[in-house]
Amino acid sequence: GDSVTQMEGPVTLSEEAFLTINCTYTATGYPSLFWYVQYPGEGLQLLLKATKADDKGSNKGFEATYRKETTSFHLEKGSVQVSDSAVYFCALSIYNFNKFYFGSGTKLNVKP
Amino acid sequence: DAGVTQSPTHLIKTRGQQVTLRCSPKSGHDTVSWYQQALGQGPQFIFQYYEEEERQRGNFPDRFSGHQFPNYSSELNVNALLLGDSALYLCASSPILAGERYEQFFGPGTRLTVL
Repeated sequence: GDSVTQMEGPVTLSEEAFLTINCTYTATGYPSLFWYVQYPGEGLQLLLKATKADDKGSNKGFEATYRKETTSFHLEKGSVQVSDSAVYFCALSIYNFNKFYFGSGTKLNVKP
Repeated sequence: DAGVTQSPTHLIKTRGQQVTLRCSPKSGHDTVSWYQQALGQGPQFIFQYYEEEERQRGNFPDRFSGHQFPNYSSELNVNALLLGDSALYLCASSPILAGERYEQFFGPGTRLTVL
């Protein structure tokens, strides 16, 4: 079946540290991949996306590359800020379907 | 441009009761999906509505039902509430664009507490 596995949190970093949140997927079709962010008390916001192999999604200093050979879509940021503290969800969607499969989320805490 | 809106924001019910949650999609979107997000978990797909019909369904019992109206807004109904139904219920909308990949836009959610 289709599923997403992401590293468990919480992840605690100091400001300006490098961030990696791992995400791997299993898909029966050819998925699009997404990272969503959820700030405390809010709904999910799309952070970035990639729709085909080797695509790199990027937004607000965050990047993730769609690696078909390793079925991965790891999230990275070179220098995190306190304002990046949130829960990050990796997700996939199969072509022609709106149904999303989400990982369990990774909570990021950034300390000043 | 208004995004996805949901009502109410919070809701408290007791076991056995019934609840209705409402969602208005983003302008230009005609597909609505509902998700259940338990505390500390990722969203789980409940079902999707397009052209006023349920098109896809996740692994949820028949106590969960829905409806889509001609203006594309949608309702999620849950009957015979259980304590385990306590969660954040998210609505997401998207356009149907043939031949393209597309993403969903999420509303802020309705927090349901079952006592």
